[in-house]
Amino acid sequence: DVVMTQTPPSLSVAIGQSVSISCKSSQSLVYSDGKTYLHWLLQSPGRSPKRLIYQVSNLGSGVPDRFSGTGSQKDFTLKISRVEAEDLGVYYCAQTTHFPNTFGAGTKLELK
Amino acid sequence: EVQILETGGGLVKPGGSLRLSCATSGFNFNDYFMNWVRQAPGKGLEWVAQIRNKNYNYATYYAESLEGRVTISRDDSKSSVYLQVSSLRAEDTAIYYCSTGWFAYWGQGTLVTVSS
Repeated sequence: DVVMTQTPPSLSVAIGQSVSISCKSSQSLVYSDGKTYLHWLLQSPGRSPKRLIYQVSNLGSGVPDRFSGTGSQKDFTLKISRVEAEDLGVYYCAQTTHFPNTFGAGTKLELK
Repeated sequence: EVQILETGGGLVKPGGSLRLSCATSGFNFNDYFMNWVRQAPGKGLEWVAQIRNKNYNYATYYAESLEGRVTISRDDSKSSVYLQVSSLRAEDTAIYYCSTGWFAYWGQGTLVTVSS
């Protein structure tokens, strides 16, 4: 199975601060079609997950452009510019290139 | 508006079975792969199963930890997907979410509790 390693496990931030979350995979996430199926999700407290970014860097519908994703092959980063209160929760990276699909363990974003 | 509603969860004894249902609307269901993902209390997300669409012959894929105990199916005429889970164990206790391919859309989940 592809292991997704997220760091850090938690982040304490002030509103307006910018933060980055890293996600590293144990195998390349480039599929045979040349695309990379790495996605970022946010699970706000008590809510279902919501997809923020798909295929490394594409913003999901209705997602603010404060969120951005970069990376390639096995090394990916989610950046949140100017954190707002609604951004708090647990962030997951997920890969759908390989079966089984796998998730990172999550990064909990909390208010400082 | 996309709507996804999971039902069928509940309290079940070890060794029992459940059939979870996921009814959808607001998107072209026939075009989408569909997933089940679960989340044990206080834990992270675990992918359970996927069923592809007609163009991919409704191919199915399962997490190895559950293979042999779960069956995913879909009814395109009802825009619905199902998960049959058998031989339930305490460690299957979780919220079970229905999600589209690439995790674009999610339901609110249905809680399955396995306990005697």
